Formats: sequence, structure tokens, C-alpha cells
Amino acid sequence: QAGLTQPPSVSKGLRQTATLTCTGNSNNVGNQGAAWLQQHRGHPPKLLSYRNNNRPSGISERLSASRSGNTASLTITGLQPEDEADYYCSAWDSSLRVWVFGGGTKLTVL
Amino acid sequence: EVQLLESGGGLVQPGGSLRLSCAASGFTFSSYAMGWVRQAPGRGLEWVSSISGSGRDTFYADSVKGRFTISRDNFKNTLYLQMNSLRAEDTAEYYCAKDSGTYDFWGQGTLVTVST
Repeated sequence: QAGLTQPPSVSKGLRQTATLTCTGNSNNVGNQGAAWLQQHRGHPPKLLSYRNNNRPSGISERLSASRSGNTASLTITGLQPEDEADYYCSAWDSSLRVWVFGGGTKLTVL
Repeated sequence: EVQLLESGGGLVQPGGSLRLSCAASGFTFSSYAMGWVRQAPGRGLEWVSSISGSGRDTFYADSVKGRFTISRDNFKNTLYLQMNSLRAEDTAEYYCAKDSGTYDFWGQGTLVTVST
């Protein structure tokens, strides 16, 4: 079961903007959009956004998500040290009837 | 407050079995699908299995199909994962997650180590 494609790493400076990408196909990301999860080392994943740009309560407005075709994006503005983490995208594949995850992007805040 | 508490992990030999449990609270358990997601040491997230709110529908990753069985007890608000014929590559932190159309809440995880 092929997963979603994410760049392994992204590095940006403090207070800069980072955009993370996640590419799937028309059966998953292109169908119902993607969710984004943040994971700090030693902790479970935390939902940041779902169905492209719905944020759970308590999630910073510095985060915004979008989708164009089969690619989803997560943009984080005004990067802070606490944004340094691993970020995963996920989506339901309506053809395979499985959940698929991206391999994760390690965001480094310089 | 939603809480998910996994248990049942541990060290098991290849070919052995384990049953994981996930005790849920803070929401109407039977109204939500649930899932198991695992993470091998130093690796990314891998979906393992999902089950509908009623328990009628189940789904599995190819890597565990035929070896793992997901189930739930809606009276006990508990999710289970029966793991048989365990392999070294099943070594991972196993998380249970609440599915509201996306995995919106995650437990702290339970570690399964398959080794001699």
C-alpha cells in the first residue's frame, strides 16, 4: 500500500515561513483532502488540521492548510522553536479502503 | 476530556502473540470508528487497522492482514488488537486513535518488541 509523499526535511529560520507538502493521488488527497499531524520526539502525534484547513480548537492560527489537486500543503508562519518537530500528513484512500500516511517531514527551526 | 490509554505491550518472541487494549473515556465510544497506528523505532507512522463504531466493519493493512484482528467492546469502552504470528518487523510503538473522519485524538502508545 503506497503512502503519501513528503520531503524528508525542511529547514527555516526563526520567524520565517515554512511550507510543507504532501502528494497523493485522486483516491486519497485529491478526494477528501489530507490531515496534518505534529509529533515531538517521545510524544504521540497531535492533530493540527483536517479536511484541508479545519483546525481543532487550541491550534495556533499561524498554521494553515490547503490543497491543490493531489497535493496538500501546511504553511507555518512566524516560526518558533516549539515548531521544530516531525510533521505527517494522512488521508483515507477510498479505492484501497485504507488509511495512508506520508513518510514525515522533519522541520528544523534555525 | 477525551482519553485513550493503551496497554498490553511488551517483549515477545517471534511467532508469539499479544493482545493490546485501549481504554477510552470522555466521548461516546460506540459512535466513533477507532484505529491502530504503529511507529517503528526512528521511523514514520504506519496505519495498522480500523474498525467501525458498531464493530461490523474492519480494515487492515496488507502487512498485518491474516495475523492481526481488531475488535471492540462498546460496553467496556475498549478497543483491542489481537496480534498473532508476530515478526521482528512488528516491533513498534502502537497507538490507538479516535476516528471522527480523521484521527483526532491519540493515546500515549504501548511498545511491542518482537525479539529472541
